[in-house]
Amino acid sequence: LAKTTQPISMDSYEGQEVNITCSHNNIATNDYITWYQQFPSQGPRFIIQGYKTKVTNEVASLFIPADRKSSTLSLPRVSLSDTAVYYCLVGPYNQGGKLIFGQGTELSVKP
Amino acid sequence: KAGVTQTPRYLIKTRGQQVTLSCSPISGHRSVSWYQQTPGQGLQFLFEYFSETQRNKGNFPGRFSGRQFSNSRSEMNVSTLELGDSALYLCASSLLQESGAEAFFGQGTRLTVV
Repeated sequence: LAKTTQPISMDSYEGQEVNITCSHNNIATNDYITWYQQFPSQGPRFIIQGYKTKVTNEVASLFIPADRKSSTLSLPRVSLSDTAVYYCLVGPYNQGGKLIFGQGTELSVKP
Repeated sequence: KAGVTQTPRYLIKTRGQQVTLSCSPISGHRSVSWYQQTPGQGLQFLFEYFSETQRNKGNFPGRFSGRQFSNSRSEMNVSTLELGDSALYLCASSLLQESGAEAFFGQGTRLTVV
Protein backbone atom coordinates (compact mmCIF):
# COMPACT_ATOMS: atom_id res chain seq x y z
CA LEU A 1 0.00 0.00 0.00
CA ALA A 2 1.20 3.52 -0.84
CA LYS A 3 2.83 5.42 2.00
CA THR A 4 1.36 8.79 2.89
CA THR A 5 2.94 11.91 4.35
CA GLN A 6 0.95 14.61 6.13
CA PRO A 7 1.84 17.54 8.37
CA ILE A 8 1.89 16.44 11.99
CA SER A 9 -0.15 19.39 13.19
CA MET A 10 -1.98 22.48 12.00
CA ASP A 11 -3.62 25.42 13.73
CA SER A 12 -6.60 27.40 12.51
CA TYR A 13 -9.27 29.80 13.74
CA GLU A 14 -12.99 29.45 13.68
CA GLY A 15 -14.57 30.44 10.40
CA GLN A 16 -11.45 29.85 8.32
CA GLU A 17 -11.06 27.35 5.52
CA VAL A 18 -8.52 24.64 6.32
CA ASN A 19 -6.59 22.72 3.71
CA ILE A 20 -4.65 19.61 4.72
CA THR A 21 -2.35 18.20 2.08
CA CYS A 22 -1.26 14.60 1.86
CA SER A 23 1.61 13.29 -0.28
CA HIS A 24 1.41 9.82 -1.77
CA ASN A 25 4.11 9.67 -4.44
CA ASN A 26 3.84 5.90 -4.96
CA ILE A 27 0.08 5.72 -5.43
CA ALA A 28 -0.95 2.83 -7.66
CA THR A 29 -3.29 3.07 -10.63
CA ASN A 30 -6.14 1.36 -8.81
CA ASP A 31 -5.67 3.19 -5.50
CA TYR A 32 -8.24 5.56 -4.07
CA ILE A 33 -7.65 8.35 -1.56
CA THR A 34 -9.70 8.35 1.62
CA TRP A 35 -9.82 10.67 4.61
CA TYR A 36 -10.91 9.87 8.14
CA GLN A 37 -11.46 12.11 11.17
CA GLN A 38 -10.88 11.04 14.77
CA PHE A 39 -11.86 12.79 17.98
CA PRO A 40 -10.11 11.86 21.25
CA SER A 41 -11.17 8.52 22.70
CA GLN A 42 -13.46 7.78 19.76
CA GLY A 43 -13.13 5.63 16.67
CA PRO A 44 -12.27 7.28 13.35
CA ARG A 45 -15.09 8.52 11.13
CA PHE A 46 -15.08 8.36 7.33
CA ILE A 47 -15.10 11.80 5.71
CA ILE A 48 -14.57 11.44 1.98
CA GLN A 49 -13.11 9.23 -0.73
CA GLY A 50 -11.98 10.07 -4.25
CA TYR A 51 -9.98 8.89 -7.23
CA LYS A 52 -9.25 11.99 -9.29
CA THR A 53 -10.20 15.67 -9.76
CA LYS A 54 -12.59 16.94 -7.12
CA VAL A 55 -15.08 15.29 -4.80
CA THR A 56 -17.40 17.23 -2.52
CA ASN A 57 -19.88 16.20 0.14
CA GLU A 58 -21.69 17.97 2.95
CA VAL A 59 -18.63 17.86 5.17
CA ALA A 60 -15.56 18.49 3.01
CA SER A 61 -14.00 18.66 -0.43
CA LEU A 62 -11.18 16.54 -1.75
CA PHE A 63 -8.92 17.90 -4.45
CA ILE A 64 -6.74 15.48 -6.41
CA PRO A 65 -4.38 16.77 -9.14
CA ALA A 66 -3.93 14.95 -12.42
CA ASP A 67 -0.75 13.14 -11.35
CA ARG A 68 -2.49 11.94 -8.15
CA LYS A 69 0.74 12.14 -6.17
CA SER A 70 -0.91 14.34 -3.58
CA SER A 71 -4.36 15.30 -2.40
CA THR A 72 -5.87 18.11 -0.35
CA LEU A 73 -8.71 17.83 2.12
CA SER A 74 -10.55 21.14 2.39
CA LEU A 75 -12.75 21.93 5.38
CA PRO A 76 -14.83 25.07 4.83
CA ARG A 77 -15.43 27.48 7.71
CA VAL A 78 -14.13 25.29 10.53
CA SER A 79 -15.54 25.45 14.03
CA LEU A 80 -14.13 24.39 17.39
CA SER A 81 -15.78 21.01 16.94
CA ASP A 82 -13.55 20.30 13.94
CA THR A 83 -10.56 19.96 16.27
CA ALA A 84 -9.48 16.38 15.63
CA VAL A 85 -6.88 14.20 13.96
CA TYR A 86 -7.29 13.78 10.21
CA TYR A 87 -5.90 10.73 8.45
CA CYS A 88 -5.16 10.33 4.76
CA LEU A 89 -5.27 6.74 3.47
CA VAL A 90 -4.43 5.33 0.07
CA GLY A 91 -5.52 1.91 -1.13
CA PRO A 92 -8.00 -0.10 -3.19
CA TYR A 93 -11.56 1.17 -3.51
CA ASN A 94 -12.98 -1.46 -1.18
CA GLN A 95 -10.26 -1.29 1.44
CA GLY A 96 -12.77 -0.73 4.21
CA GLY A 97 -11.87 -4.05 5.77
CA LYS A 98 -8.19 -3.28 6.10
CA LEU A 99 -7.38 0.37 6.68
CA ILE A 100 -3.74 1.36 7.00
CA PHE A 101 -3.43 4.58 8.95
CA GLY A 102 -0.44 6.88 8.95
CA GLN A 103 0.39 9.38 11.66
CA GLY A 104 -2.40 11.81 10.76
CA THR A 105 -2.64 15.57 11.11
CA GLU A 106 -3.72 17.01 14.43
CA LEU A 107 -5.88 20.03 13.64
CA SER A 108 -6.47 22.55 16.40
CA VAL A 109 -9.19 25.13 15.84
CA LYS A 110 -9.05 28.17 18.10
CA PRO A 111 -11.76 30.72 18.84
CA LYS B 1 -29.79 1.87 12.64
CA ALA B 2 -27.61 0.95 15.59
CA GLY B 3 -23.90 1.62 15.25
CA VAL B 4 -20.97 -0.63 16.03
CA THR B 5 -21.07 -1.71 19.66
CA GLN B 6 -18.01 -2.71 21.62
CA THR B 7 -17.98 -4.20 25.09
CA PRO B 8 -16.69 -3.62 27.60
CA ARG B 9 -15.73 0.06 27.29
CA TYR B 10 -13.02 -0.15 29.93
CA LEU B 11 -10.99 -3.03 31.26
CA ILE B 12 -8.12 -3.43 33.70
CA LYS B 13 -6.11 -6.64 33.62
CA THR B 14 -2.93 -7.94 35.17
CA ARG B 15 0.14 -9.02 33.25
CA GLY B 16 -0.07 -12.64 32.20
CA GLN B 17 -3.86 -12.76 32.14
CA GLN B 18 -5.94 -13.06 29.01
CA VAL B 19 -8.78 -10.87 27.81
CA THR B 20 -11.68 -11.15 25.39
CA LEU B 21 -13.23 -8.13 23.73
CA SER B 22 -16.52 -8.16 21.89
CA CYS B 23 -17.80 -6.31 18.85
CA SER B 24 -21.29 -6.21 17.35
CA PRO B 25 -21.23 -4.78 13.82
CA ILE B 26 -23.89 -2.74 12.10
CA SER B 27 -26.72 -4.97 10.94
CA GLY B 28 -25.97 -6.34 7.49
CA HIS B 29 -22.22 -5.69 7.65
CA ARG B 30 -20.27 -8.89 7.19
CA SER B 31 -16.75 -7.49 7.45
CA VAL B 32 -15.39 -6.81 10.93
CA SER B 33 -11.91 -5.45 11.52
CA TRP B 34 -9.91 -4.81 14.66
CA TYR B 35 -7.37 -2.10 15.34
CA GLN B 36 -5.03 -1.22 18.18
CA GLN B 37 -4.31 2.41 18.99
CA THR B 38 -1.46 3.53 21.23
CA PRO B 39 0.26 6.90 21.59
CA GLY B 40 3.53 5.47 20.36
CA GLN B 41 2.45 3.32 17.43
CA GLY B 42 -0.73 5.07 16.37
CA LEU B 43 -3.60 3.18 14.77
CA GLN B 44 -2.56 -0.29 13.67
CA PHE B 45 -4.57 -2.92 11.83
CA LEU B 46 -4.87 -6.23 13.70
CA PHE B 47 -7.08 -8.43 11.53
CA GLU B 48 -10.25 -8.62 9.47
CA TYR B 49 -12.98 -11.22 9.48
CA PHE B 50 -15.49 -11.81 6.73
CA SER B 51 -18.13 -14.52 6.81
CA GLU B 52 -16.47 -16.16 9.82
CA THR B 53 -13.07 -16.37 8.10
CA GLN B 54 -9.99 -14.32 8.81
CA ARG B 55 -9.27 -12.58 5.55
CA ASN B 56 -6.47 -10.18 6.46
CA LYS B 57 -3.97 -10.08 9.27
CA GLY B 58 -1.67 -7.36 10.50
CA ASN B 59 1.77 -7.70 11.97
CA PHE B 60 0.95 -8.76 15.52
CA PRO B 61 2.14 -11.77 17.54
CA GLY B 62 0.08 -14.92 17.82
CA ARG B 63 -1.12 -13.83 21.28
CA PHE B 64 -3.65 -11.72 19.41
CA SER B 65 -6.44 -13.76 17.92
CA GLY B 66 -10.03 -13.34 16.94
CA ARG B 67 -13.09 -15.02 15.59
CA GLN B 68 -16.37 -14.17 13.97
CA PHE B 69 -19.70 -15.82 14.53
CA SER B 70 -22.44 -16.60 12.04
CA ASN B 71 -24.30 -13.44 13.05
CA SER B 72 -21.15 -11.41 12.18
CA ARG B 73 -20.42 -10.55 15.80
CA SER B 74 -16.73 -10.78 16.51
CA GLU B 75 -14.47 -11.33 19.47
CA MET B 76 -10.84 -10.55 19.92
CA ASN B 77 -8.63 -12.35 22.41
CA VAL B 78 -5.26 -11.40 23.79
CA SER B 79 -3.44 -14.02 25.83
CA THR B 80 -0.53 -13.61 28.22
CA LEU B 81 -1.04 -9.88 28.51
CA GLU B 82 1.96 -7.58 28.53
CA LEU B 83 2.16 -3.99 29.74
CA GLY B 84 2.60 -2.90 26.13
CA ASP B 85 -0.82 -4.27 25.25
CA SER B 86 -2.40 -1.34 27.05
CA ALA B 87 -4.26 0.45 24.30
CA LEU B 88 -7.56 1.49 22.82
CA TYR B 89 -8.90 -1.44 20.82
CA LEU B 90 -11.23 -0.43 18.03
CA CYS B 91 -13.59 -2.51 15.99
CA ALA B 92 -14.97 -1.46 12.62
CA SER B 93 -17.56 -2.95 10.31
CA SER B 94 -18.14 -2.33 6.62
CA LEU B 95 -20.13 -3.39 3.58
CA LEU B 96 -16.96 -3.39 1.46
CA GLN B 97 -18.02 -3.58 -2.18
CA GLU B 98 -20.97 -1.31 -1.70
CA SER B 99 -19.28 1.36 0.38
CA GLY B 100 -15.69 1.53 -0.73
CA ALA B 101 -13.33 2.48 2.03
CA GLU B 102 -16.08 3.54 4.41
CA ALA B 103 -15.83 1.65 7.66
CA PHE B 104 -17.84 2.37 10.77
CA PHE B 105 -15.95 2.30 14.03
CA GLY B 106 -17.14 1.59 17.53
CA GLN B 107 -16.21 3.65 20.58
CA GLY B 108 -13.48 1.21 21.46
CA THR B 109 -12.41 -0.74 24.51
CA ARG B 110 -9.77 0.91 26.66
CA LEU B 111 -7.55 -1.87 28.00
CA THR B 112 -5.11 -1.17 30.78
CA VAL B 113 -2.60 -3.84 31.74
CA VAL B 114 -1.01 -3.43 35.17
